[in-house]
Amino acid sequence: DAMVIQNPRYQVTQFGKPVTLSCSQTLNHNVMYWYQQKSSQAPKLLFHYYDKDFNNEADTPDNFQSRRPNTSFCFLDIRSPGLGDAAMYLCATSRDLSGRAYEQYFGPGTRLTVT
Amino acid sequence: AQSVAQPEDQVNVAEGNPLTVKCTYSVSGNPYLFWYVQYPNRGLQFLLKYITGDNLVKGSYGFEAEFNKSQTSFHLKKPSALVSDSALYFCAVSSDSGNTPLVFGKGTRLSVIA
Repeated sequence: DAMVIQNPRYQVTQFGKPVTLSCSQTLNHNVMYWYQQKSSQAPKLLFHYYDKDFNNEADTPDNFQSRRPNTSFCFLDIRSPGLGDAAMYLCATSRDLSGRAYEQYFGPGTRLTVT
Repeated sequence: AQSVAQPEDQVNVAEGNPLTVKCTYSVSGNPYLFWYVQYPNRGLQFLLKYITGDNLVKGSYGFEAEFNKSQTSFHLKKPSALVSDSALYFCAVSSDSGNTPLVFGKGTRLSVIA
């Protein structure tokens, strides 16, 4: 089945120690998104890639970076995690942008704990 | 700027009864409206969307939603609730006005009681 895969499902890192979360998709979608979700709140968009074009949300901290080496994979790098970065991180894909009416497909998420 | 309101943090309904989860929105241009469901420790799952056409949209698992332009609402409904419908439900909106992102409501937790 076509799907969005996130690894690992659970990640524990130390305060200030860089961490990378990964996402892959078999849907061949053009757009990939990274969201941060805390405590059953609404997902907060961090950034998205439209193909190779990177789009950063204005309030996304510089501590968060992303890479998309090819269509299938996208990575979220947190350079120096703080306690406030503990959250569920959701990857999503869509065939085209939401402003063109396309729904997003989400992975299962990676729950990040910062100790 | 576009926004979504889900006025209820929690909705409780007895199994077999109809359920409604409310959503109102504000956008520039024509809205694109979505409902997603999230089960514990899982990602969001797409249920249905309204783009244009018939105001009543049918989606997965027997859910449907009614677009009401005059009331700027897009309430999620199901005729007969199941215990397995218990989850967190998010309404989301974008629009045809420029390159608009998807904006999520804060979510409504649905509890279906046997």
